[in-house]
Amino acid sequence: EDQVTQSPEALRLQEGESSSLNCSYTVSGLRGLFWYRQDPGKGPEFLFTLYSAGEEKEKERLKATLTKKESFLHITAPKPEDSATYLCAVQAWLNQAGTALIFGKGTTLSVSS
Amino acid sequence: GAVVSQHPSRVICKSGTSVKIECRSLDFQATTMFWYRQFPKQSLMLMATSNEGSKATYEQGVEKDKFLINHASLTLSTLTVTSAHPEDSSFYICSAVDGDGSYNEQFFGPGTRLTVL
Repeated sequence: EDQVTQSPEALRLQEGESSSLNCSYTVSGLRGLFWYRQDPGKGPEFLFTLYSAGEEKEKERLKATLTKKESFLHITAPKPEDSATYLCAVQAWLNQAGTALIFGKGTTLSVSS
Repeated sequence: GAVVSQHPSRVICKSGTSVKIECRSLDFQATTMFWYRQFPKQSLMLMATSNEGSKATYEQGVEKDKFLINHASLTLSTLTVTSAHPEDSSFYICSAVDGDGSYNEQFFGPGTRLTVL
């Protein structure tokens, strides 16, 4: 069964204190791994897509990396506005109907000044 | 990036009534749209896959007769919660795929908060 596990569930950081979020997955044939940011009461906002082990992508203070079993979202010198829930999802085929995303439960990040 | 809208953003209804939620892709055509449900502090759970011009594909455990999905055009999919009950209260989110739906990213709507009294 395809599964996505994120850790930690919650993370509190001081402004400027770098850290990493983990997403481990088991899927039969990875099609793509996605990172999203979700603010309370809103839909997920796309951050990154990673397709193959060794791939890295960066956007401002965020950097996503991928191995064969897990992905990391590194946050460098976070600011309070980075506070949100970060969701990881893997892409799975749904036969001919298209693709769907299997989501982890997310890591809720709180950055205090 | 592509924009997906949902309407309404919030709805409160009485138990036993039906509620329709719209999902629109505003600046692209979406052959495939997905409907998710999210309970507090839980992950998004896929309910169904909606394809334009054909029947929706439902995930195991999701009642087809309760959650009616209609994908009438390339820019609009609707989810109707029929005979809603308090346990249907949740955050419903749609997403749309720009393109053929193979490796393209999904764009999410802002969600609809349903409260059934």
